[in-house]
Amino acid sequence: GQQVMQIPQYQHVQEGEDFTTYCNSSTTLSNIQWYKQRPGGHPVFLIQLVKSGEVKKQKRLTFQFGEAKKNSSLHITATQTTDVGTYFCAGGGSNYKLTFGKGTLLTVNP
Amino acid sequence: DAGVTQSPTHLIKTRGQHVTLRCSPISGHKSVSWYQQVLGQGPQFIFQYYEKEERGRGNFPDRFSARQFPNYSSELNVNALLLGDSALYLCASSPTVGGGYTFGSGTRLTVV
Repeated sequence: GQQVMQIPQYQHVQEGEDFTTYCNSSTTLSNIQWYKQRPGGHPVFLIQLVKSGEVKKQKRLTFQFGEAKKNSSLHITATQTTDVGTYFCAGGGSNYKLTFGKGTLLTVNP
Repeated sequence: DAGVTQSPTHLIKTRGQHVTLRCSPISGHKSVSWYQQVLGQGPQFIFQYYEKEERGRGNFPDRFSARQFPNYSSELNVNALLLGDSALYLCASSPTVGGGYTFGSGTRLTVV
């Protein structure tokens, strides 16, 4: 079945440093979605990418979808303490099923 | 507008018992999905319903079942509970299938 791998598992940064998390799927995806989950909270939708090679920006966050639609990345510029949480990618297949990666836990030292 | 609401928020059950979890989607959202999240892992897909029909099912045993009602609310039922069913159960809604999902706060199920 479809598998979505995410690295790194953990990332600790100083406030102001950049952060990147990477996502790889074992199969070609119809779309990729990114979610953020704060400790003790629930996943919150950030963005959906659909097109091959797509790049989208949300303020300090940049999302990319690979040309082969099998990989994606999330880059945060100049992290802030409010960025703390676990970032999940979720791959959408043809059967409406979303397959989540294990997430990257980001901690930020002020 | 209210977000996705789930009830109950917490639940403790004994092995072998049955549990029903409930979800009300955002008004106008016709797609409801259920996910199981264990600590330290990403959510795992259980079911998706759209327009009251099952559109997808994850790799969960037949002890797990769900349905969607005419008002688009949904129930997740789990029979013969096992210790391993202890998890956070998340409901998510979307206007259509395949779109970005809005998650509820979840039901924390503990099986003892």
